[in-house]
Amino acid sequence: AQKITQTQPGMFVQEKEAVTLDCTYDTSDPSYGLFWYKQPSSGEMIFLIYQGSYDQQNATEGRYSLNFQKARKSANLVISASQLGDSAMYFCAMRDSGANNLFFGTGTRLTVIP
Amino acid sequence: SQTIHQWPATLVQPVGSPLSLECTVEGTSNPNLYWYRQAAGRGLQLLFYSVGIGQISSEVPQNLSASRPQDRQFILSSKKLLLSDSGFYLCAWSVGQGVRYEQYFGPGTRLTVT
Repeated sequence: AQKITQTQPGMFVQEKEAVTLDCTYDTSDPSYGLFWYKQPSSGEMIFLIYQGSYDQQNATEGRYSLNFQKARKSANLVISASQLGDSAMYFCAMRDSGANNLFFGTGTRLTVIP
Repeated sequence: SQTIHQWPATLVQPVGSPLSLECTVEGTSNPNLYWYRQAAGRGLQLLFYSVGIGQISSEVPQNLSASRPQDRQFILSSKKLLLSDSGFYLCAWSVGQGVRYEQYFGPGTRLTVT
């Protein structure tokens, strides 16, 4: 069975600093995808970044990068140069080859301090 | 470009009343469609998904149902709402069924059952 764990209910970061949001996962399927979504107070889920289990390099999208450590089954999101607009809930999600949907963690609330 | 619409944005309904939430997608054909529910402060729970017109898969036994009368229309319904049906309902779409395909979410409907 798939499982996603986000152990940080809340995180604070100073504006312009970098922050790492933790995510660990568990699956027995060698083929899977990992996703990060941002949910601002408006509620909409915004796709940020994807990492495939067979990808050789860590994914990057602008200020977002994914620290993928396959042996540890972790897929941490790194946000560089934090901005006030980064304050939101962040969800890690996973899908393996046998699933039709994404499985989500419980989320981390990030607050950027000016 | 693709867009996804949901309405209504907010709904307050008494216990025992019926429910109908609508989701439509523009700019893509034959999408996979999903209904998720998010309880306050929690992650997303998949309720239904559909890979085509009239094809509905239910993930969680409950008093909700879903229908897909047209390729890009997905409807969530209930004949009699329960207090436990309160939450934030999100519709999502994706193309393809491999691990790579991210899902894109609508703005959501906040349902309060009183």
